[in-house]
Amino acid sequence: GEDVEQSLFLSVREGDSSVINCTYTDSSSTYLYWYKQEPGAGLQLLTYIFSNMDMKQDQRLTVLLNKKDKHLSLRIADTQTGDSAIYFCAETTSGGSYIPTFGRGTSLIVHP
Amino acid sequence: GAVVSQHPSRVICKSGTSVKIECRSLDFQATTMFWYRQFPKKSLMLMATSNEGSKATYEQGVEKDKFLINHASLTLSTLTVTSAHPEDSSFYICSARGPAGGVEQFFGPGTRLTVL
Repeated sequence: GEDVEQSLFLSVREGDSSVINCTYTDSSSTYLYWYKQEPGAGLQLLTYIFSNMDMKQDQRLTVLLNKKDKHLSLRIADTQTGDSAIYFCAETTSGGSYIPTFGRGTSLIVHP
Repeated sequence: GAVVSQHPSRVICKSGTSVKIECRSLDFQATTMFWYRQFPKKSLMLMATSNEGSKATYEQGVEKDKFLINHASLTLSTLTVTSAHPEDSSFYICSARGPAGGVEQFFGPGTRLTVL
């Protein structure tokens, strides 16, 4: 299986919350990231969490980390049409020179 | 701060020609830059790690003679796709390790290469 796995698609109604899930396999992960990619563009770092943290909140974004289950989630509150994009989960390890391993990305579609 | 640019954003070329893609860190010095390739509906695949003043380190399965990487200065890395073929068509993204060598990476906007 892949080192970082995500579901490929998520569809939500505008104003609802979106939850994008990610699982990873490397227990020595040090940082876990969420990136956003809009069509035809590069990746934008949304937020990241250090592996000794359980939760991080930044405005509409909440990241939850369950290290025991190797599960990471990104919650977007009050999802807007501008949030439609592909969201990549990534993890780095000190042994990997902090080069991120990416999931395949979750395509978030927000409809009115 | 920490802006990375790529040029060109799109390029179309004929099969057999070579294409150069530039990656620049605009407001910081990047001793390490990375080149990724992204296939449709796929994750980013790391192609190589580029360190200023030294040879790039290529990932397994990436042809170093096909994808030439040069990191001649602390703000510029180039990727040259030599003798391009249609299967080289892809979205190429570079990133640079942040200022002071931190672990965060900053990504360029990507270059869409289409080989006819």
